[in-house]
Amino acid sequence: DTGVSQNPRHKITKRGQNVTFRCDPISEHNRLYWYRQTLGQGPEFLTYFQNEAQLEKSRLLSDRFSAERPKGSFSTLEIQRTEQGDSAMYLCASSLALGEASGNTIYFGEGSWLTVV
Amino acid sequence: AQTVTQSQPEMSVQEAETVTLSCTYDTSESDYYLFWYKQPPSRQMILVIRQEAYKQQNATENRFSVNFQKAAKSFSLKISDSQLGDAAMYFCAYGNKLVFGAGTILRVKS
Repeated sequence: DTGVSQNPRHKITKRGQNVTFRCDPISEHNRLYWYRQTLGQGPEFLTYFQNEAQLEKSRLLSDRFSAERPKGSFSTLEIQRTEQGDSAMYLCASSLALGEASGNTIYFGEGSWLTVV
Repeated sequence: AQTVTQSQPEMSVQEAETVTLSCTYDTSESDYYLFWYKQPPSRQMILVIRQEAYKQQNATENRFSVNFQKAAKSFSLKISDSQLGDAAMYFCAYGNKLVFGAGTILRVKS
């Protein structure tokens, strides 16, 4: 088990360009989460999947953001027409889904830093 | 909506001493989970300890323990025998999808 893997770890892009981040969860984890974290703040929930189904999206996830998990394994987070305000670390995490009341432990990747210039 | 508040932006502790980090939360639910996560400078978030709200007994993991006061909606983390490796940002978090507080930077002095 290699943990949650994210790439690229760092991305610098020009405003208006599209970027895509990939996340490989811990194997057998059927839940996958995306968070955004800016410097000095706690992570903010963006969206999560159970298997290939996207079950919830935060209001933070504007229409320029799209997340997919086509085969219920890895996931991608795409940001279209990037803006400077998108600069942040994007964290991926995964967990088992043992039921809503189970308090599944969520394991995090090391994050993908995005800088929009 | 649930909210989590960490009122201490920064704390310092002498090596081998004990420190307590504060956390309060707001929810209308009766059954839930609470977590403390640690984020060292390497940035990977690591689970420190978790607490089930229906359990009255406070969770303990080695040098880490919590003081869970459900009526007061308070969930503090106590670190005993602090070590240099404990220096990090600590986040309190609520629920299955994790609502995080703003974090507390813990500095450990040798």
